[in-house]
Formats: sequence, structure tokens, C-alpha cells
Amino acid sequence: GQQLNQSPQSMFIQEGEDVSMNCTSSSIFNTWLWYKQEPGEGPVLLIALYKAGELTSNGRLTAQFGITRKDSFLNISASIPSDVGIYFCAGPGSPNYGGATNKLIFGTGTLLAVQP
Amino acid sequence: DGGITQSPKYLFRKEGQNVTLSCEQNLNHDAMYWYRQDPGQGLRLIYYSQIVNDFQKGDIAEGYSVSREKKESFPLTVTSAQKNPTAFYLCASRNRGRGNQPQHFGDGTRLSIL
Repeated sequence: GQQLNQSPQSMFIQEGEDVSMNCTSSSIFNTWLWYKQEPGEGPVLLIALYKAGELTSNGRLTAQFGITRKDSFLNISASIPSDVGIYFCAGPGSPNYGGATNKLIFGTGTLLAVQP
Repeated sequence: DGGITQSPKYLFRKEGQNVTLSCEQNLNHDAMYWYRQDPGQGLRLIYYSQIVNDFQKGDIAEGYSVSREKKESFPLTVTSAQKNPTAFYLCASRNRGRGNQPQHFGDGTRLSIL
């Protein structure tokens, strides 16, 4: 079945540092989603990507849809303590998200800790 | 305020007991989903529904049941057949009618065994 490999598993950084994480798939996706989850809360959508090569920003966050359509990257610039949480990538569990199943597959997450 | 409401926030189950987790959305979304999250792991799909009165099994449906009698509601029952129910349960919804719309999540219900 489809799998999403997310790395790194965890990151411990100093406030002000930049962060990079990535997600790779065993198959081609037509959509990539990045979520952030804080302790005891549900995931919140950060960025949605729909086109190979697409680069999208949301404040200090920037995500890219890899040109091979099998990977995606999330960067956080000038990290702050409230960036702490688990970041998940997600992609469709069927060849055409928005089609019959609407299923998502999630990566295992990247835990980010920011030292003030 | 539009959103997805899950209740209760915390739930305790005795051995052999069925419990039902509530999920309500006022976003007018067609599709709704239930996920299970275990510590240090990603989300795994339990059940999903694309339309009222219809639902499909996800990857880990055994020991769970759902209903979709109303568009805004998708309750999940954790039955006594689910031998390891302790987890964080997340409900999500999505609008199918506008291209590749992403799923949006509620704040979860944490279920524990007494």
C-alpha cells in the first residue's frame, strides 16, 4: 500500500533558527497537505499544494510540491516558541484526491521543539 | 462560528462497555471521517462517509461502528470488540463539491480504559 515517510522524526532547535522537514511517497500524489498539531488538539491545516513544482507560503512557513510528485517540503523561517508541535504531511489515498474515496494518508509526523 | 465539534473531550470506558463519541459540523461539508491516533504515530482511518446514509470502512474499522443519519453528524461507537481502545480520536470533514478541498479536524476525544 501507499506509504508516506516523513523526516526528521524530531527536531530540537533554538529560537530564531530555520527549520526544514520533508515527506516522500512511494507513489505519485496530486495533492500535498501540511498540518500542525499541538498537544491535546486536532491538526490544523497549514498549507495545501495542488501542482507539481508549486511553492506556497503562509507567513513564515513555505511548502513546496516536489517536481517528481513523490515528495514535499516544509520550511519554517525564524522559528519562535509557539511553533512547537507535531507537523504532519498528508496525501491522497487514491490516485485522484477529490475522486471516489477522498481518503488521506498521513506521515508519522515531525516533532518540533523550540528552545527560547 | 463554523467548525467541527467533538464531545466529550475526555471519555472513560469500562471493560465490556460500548461508548459513543460525538462529532458535529456546521460547515455544510458532505464528507466526514474518523481517525485514531496513538502516541508517536500518525493518523489511521477508521471509517468515512461521503454522503448521508452511506459510509465505508477505513483501514482499522474492526471493533468500531458509525452512522450518518444527518449531514452534520457522524457519531463513532467504540464497541466492546475493540480490545485496545485507548487512543486519541479525531473527526474531520471536507467539502467534496469544490475540487481537492482538504480535510479539517475537530479537537479530538481522548478515550481511556478504566
